[in-house]
Amino acid sequence: EDQVTQSPEALRLQEGESSSLNCSYTVSGLRGLFWYRQDPGKGPEFLFTLYSAGEEKEKERLKATLTKKESFLHITAPKPEDSATYLCAVQARNNDMRFGAGTRLTVKP
Amino acid sequence: DGGITQSPKYLFRKEGQNVTLSCEQNLNHDAMYWYRQDPGQGLRLIYYSQIVNDFQKGDIAEGYSVSREKKESFPLTVTSAQKNPTAFYLCASRPPGPSNQPQHFGDGTRLSIL
Repeated sequence: EDQVTQSPEALRLQEGESSSLNCSYTVSGLRGLFWYRQDPGKGPEFLFTLYSAGEEKEKERLKATLTKKESFLHITAPKPEDSATYLCAVQARNNDMRFGAGTRLTVKP
Repeated sequence: DGGITQSPKYLFRKEGQNVTLSCEQNLNHDAMYWYRQDPGQGLRLIYYSQIVNDFQKGDIAEGYSVSREKKESFPLTVTSAQKNPTAFYLCASRPPGPSNQPQHFGDGTRLSIL
């Protein structure tokens, strides 16, 4: 069965303290892995798509990487405005999409 | 600006009542989706539609119904058969082309029981 597990569930960082969020997956034929940011009371906002192992994408302080079993979202020198829940989703060969439960990130000034 | 509009933002349901959540998009997307989000769980697919006048059940369709009479609109009805409807409901759409393009989301409707 296709599964997505995100860790940690919650992460508290000081401003400027870099860290990584993990998304582990098992899926029948990966067609794409997606990262989203979700603010409280809002819908998820698209960040990145990764399609194959070894691929990397960057946007401002965020960098997403992909292996055959997991993806990491690296946050470099985070700021308080980076506080949000980050969601990972994988799309299988049959086009089914599975979402992880998310990592709730808090960045303290 | 193009986007997905969900309304209302908050909705309350009484026992035995059906309620309808609105989702409208002006992105010219064919594919539209409804998800349910509960605390501590990933988004779960309720229904999806790839084209007008056609839709398919997702993983948790029981107690819900949809229609797709227009490309721009994909309303979700939460029926009285859904015994635990309290959740955050998200509508999404996907651009035309390969199916592995990212979905884009509205800002959700929070449904509670009175």
